[in-house]
Amino acid sequence: DGGITQSPKYLFRKEGQNVTLSCEQNLNHDAMYWYRQDPGQGLRLIYYSQIVNDFQKGDIAEGYSVSREKKESFPLTVTSAQKNPTAFYLCASSMVRTSGANVLTFGAGSRLTVL
Amino acid sequence: AQSVAQPEDQVNVAEGNPLTVKCTYSVSGNPYLFWYVQYPNRGLQFLLKYITGDNLVKGSYGFEAEFNKSQTSFHLKKPSALVSDSALYFCAVREENRDDKIIFGKGTRLHILP
Repeated sequence: DGGITQSPKYLFRKEGQNVTLSCEQNLNHDAMYWYRQDPGQGLRLIYYSQIVNDFQKGDIAEGYSVSREKKESFPLTVTSAQKNPTAFYLCASSMVRTSGANVLTFGAGSRLTVL
Repeated sequence: AQSVAQPEDQVNVAEGNPLTVKCTYSVSGNPYLFWYVQYPNRGLQFLLKYITGDNLVKGSYGFEAEFNKSQTSFHLKKPSALVSDSALYFCAVREENRDDKIIFGKGTRLHILP
């Protein structure tokens, strides 16, 4: 079955450590996204990528980094510069159509807790 | 700038009663509007979308939404609520001809009371 796989599902980190969250899709989607979810704040866009080797900052990119070396993969690194990284992280993907009415497909999420 | 507002943090409805989850939006051009649902510790699932045409859009699980351009609203509705509809609902908007980010509202928690 096609879908998006995020790993790990749960992750604990000590302050000052970088961690990388994996996101893999087999939907042949061009665009991929990372969102952060905090209670009462909805989803906020961290980074997005519409094509391999290209990505753009979202609304809260500070303290995060991404790469897009393959169409299927869009890993997110939470660096030590991110001051409040404890959150639920969601990866999504979509086709890219000129109409713009693209539906996002989401992974199951990764919950990061900083100890 | 694009924005989405969901004015209610939580909505409580008795099982069998009709439900409405409110959403208003702001974009410069024509909007593409979406509703997603999230169950605990899971990703979001697509419910329905409005692109153009009929203002009443039907989606999954018996949900529908009404697009109102003059009120810039896209409220989610269902004629008869089920306990299994209890979840977190998100409204989202993308502006026409902008092939980039989708903006989500803060979410509305729907409680269906047995």
